[in-house]
Amino acid sequence: SYELTQPSSVSVSPGQTARITCSGDALPKQYANWYQQRPGQAPVLIIYKDNKRPSGIPERFSGSSSRTTVTLTLSGVQAEDEADYYCQSVDSSGTYVVFGGGTKLTVL
Amino acid sequence: EVQLVESGGGLVQPGGSLRLSCVASGFTFSNNWMHWVRQAPGKGLVWVSRINSDESSTSYAESVKGRFTISRDNAKNTLFLQMNSLRVEDTAVYYCVSNDFWSGPIDYWGQGTLVTVSS
Repeated sequence: SYELTQPSSVSVSPGQTARITCSGDALPKQYANWYQQRPGQAPVLIIYKDNKRPSGIPERFSGSSSRTTVTLTLSGVQAEDEADYYCQSVDSSGTYVVFGGGTKLTVL
Repeated sequence: EVQLVESGGGLVQPGGSLRLSCVASGFTFSNNWMHWVRQAPGKGLVWVSRINSDESSTSYAESVKGRFTISRDNAKNTLFLQMNSLRVEDTAVYYCVSNDFWSGPIDYWGQGTLVTVSS
C-alpha cells in the first residue's frame, strides 16, 4: 500500500524556521495538502495543492515541492504553532486518499 | 458557517455493529464528496471511506472493506457509516469530512465521534 513518510517530530525555537518534509513516490504526479491539528481539536487545512494557502492562514505557513518530497515551512515560529502536522495526497492509481504519519512540532 | 456534526459513537463489543451519522450544514451537501477519516488514540489520521455526490461511487480502505458501508441521504444532508464485525483495532475518533473532489484538499471537518471496541 502507498505511504507518505514524515519525520515523527521536529523541534524549533520561537522565531526560527521549521521545515517538515513528506515523501512519497506519487508526489511528482499528485498534489499534496497539509493539515494542522492542535490537541483535542479537528485538523485544519493550512496548505493545498502543494503550495497554496487558504484564506485566513497566516503567511508564515508555506509549502513547496521537489520531486518525491513536499515540504511545509513555518517561518517565524510562534508558541501557538505547536501542534501535529499531517500531509495528505492520493496514491498513483488515483484510488486511495493517504495521510502521512504526522509530525509533532515542538516549540522550545 | 459550515458545520459537520457526527453522532452514533460509543462502546461496542468485538464483533458488534454501530452506525455513525453526520449532519451537514452551511454548504451545498449534495454537491460535495464525503469521507470518513479516523484517528486511533494517540495515533495519526487514517482515511476510511469516501462517497461521491450522487452515491454512485464509493471506495474503502483495505482494513475496512467488506465490513463498513458508507452511504448518504442528500435530502437530509446526512452521511452515514455502517460498521459491522467491529474489531478492537477499529477503536478511534471518526471524523466526517468533505471536499469538492475526492482527491482534493479536505475543506471541512467535523469534531469527531469516538468509537470504542472492547469487551
